[in-house]
Amino acid sequence: GAVVSQHPSRVICKSGTSVKIECRSLDFQATTMFWYRQFPKQSLMLMATSNEGSKATYEQGVEKDKFLINHASLTLSTLTVTSAHPEDSSFYICSAREGAGPPYEQYFGPGTRLTVT
Amino acid sequence: EDKVVQSPLSLVVHEGDTVTLNCSYEVTNFRSLLWYKQEKKAPTFLFMLTSSGIEKKSGRLSSILDKKELSSILNITATQTGDSAIYLCAVENNNDMRFGAGTRLTVKP
Repeated sequence: GAVVSQHPSRVICKSGTSVKIECRSLDFQATTMFWYRQFPKQSLMLMATSNEGSKATYEQGVEKDKFLINHASLTLSTLTVTSAHPEDSSFYICSAREGAGPPYEQYFGPGTRLTVT
Repeated sequence: EDKVVQSPLSLVVHEGDTVTLNCSYEVTNFRSLLWYKQEKKAPTFLFMLTSSGIEKKSGRLSSILDKKELSSILNITATQTGDSAIYLCAVENNNDMRFGAGTRLTVKP
């Protein structure tokens, strides 16, 4: 089955620094990758959608300059949290989709726990 | 390393069938297990389970946790085409949360 990995699985950084999270599709080519953020009360919020080779599409309310997304290849997307603050501490999860059209199947990574001190 | 494994990876059934989705986990300091339904955008929350043996129900969906077996099942009875989705399981401990890869359910008319 399709596997998506994330690295690191957890990271602690100091306030004001930047941190990069990688999302890789291991055995398929992901034309589209999605980044989510976990909020309290169990909800997952879609942050942005990225297509290989083009700029990411951000959801309303998500700061594109703060959450930089790069989808440089068909197997790798990165999320960089710039000038991190404690309120950015959260659980970030990515998913990947193989094709641009149906079936719209997404494969989820295991997630990354970010703690900003 | 903590891990969450879901099975099957995909499942195709016909309307009216009953399905059982499985989630097994290996985590330290377990706190809760959560089920989500993923359709188009962000996954929607279904259940949160913390205690073993207590079934949670919502309409045709139900779920139960077995802490001895380190697993949970999600049952859907009288399936409908609208149940077609990816069902995600996530396990939370004191510091972290891990997602399984999901089960793709397709319900045919």
